[in-house]
Amino acid sequence: ELKVEQNPLFLSMQEGKNYTIYCNYSTTSDRLYWYRQDPGKSLESLFVLLSNGAVKQEGRLMASLDTKARLSTLHITAAVHDLSATYFCAVHMNYGGATNKLIFGTGTLLAVQP
Amino acid sequence: EAGVTQFPSHSVIEKGQTVTLRCDPISGHDNLYWYRRVMGKEIKFLLHFVKESKQDESGMPNNRFLAERTGGTYSTLKVQPAELEDSGVYFCASSPLLGPGWDTQYFGPGTRLTVL
Repeated sequence: ELKVEQNPLFLSMQEGKNYTIYCNYSTTSDRLYWYRQDPGKSLESLFVLLSNGAVKQEGRLMASLDTKARLSTLHITAAVHDLSATYFCAVHMNYGGATNKLIFGTGTLLAVQP
Repeated sequence: EAGVTQFPSHSVIEKGQTVTLRCDPISGHDNLYWYRRVMGKEIKFLLHFVKESKQDESGMPNNRFLAERTGGTYSTLKVQPAELEDSGVYFCASSPLLGPGWDTQYFGPGTRLTVL
């Protein structure tokens, strides 16, 4: 059974600082996702990473994927208050098309302090 | 384009009662998924519809849960009878079979279910 470990669970940052959220997973997968959730809102898709070495950037967020290490990172550069949210990584499971589910990490609650 | 919508946003019921959650996917999305997050745990997969057919229901916890998607449009998830451990947030997601966005699941805001 695929397991996804995400850390840290909670991250309190000062504005302007950099930090990284880590996502490890236990078996091979063809896709990894990062989602953001604001309280009471939908999970918003941030990045889809498809291949080894993939790097995607949007504003102050950059996600990368190392399929050999089964590790993805979400790097936050010069944090601002608007980035405060819960961030989830999710790994895609697809066994020969029989399933198409996502296995989620526990989420990281990010609080950016002024 | 409207996103995935879920109704109700909150539901508070007593143990033993029945609750039905509804999900309206993005128009044209043939894939529909149900997930839930119980307190302090990960978001976990419940089941996956392709149109009106159940493609994967491996995550359904027990036979108190019944999901339907008649006509391949909206879906309902019924819990009968509800137990305390069913409390949590139930998310619905959808995606197209082909074309732009095929590789992303688009989530609704969830239904927060509290069983007392």
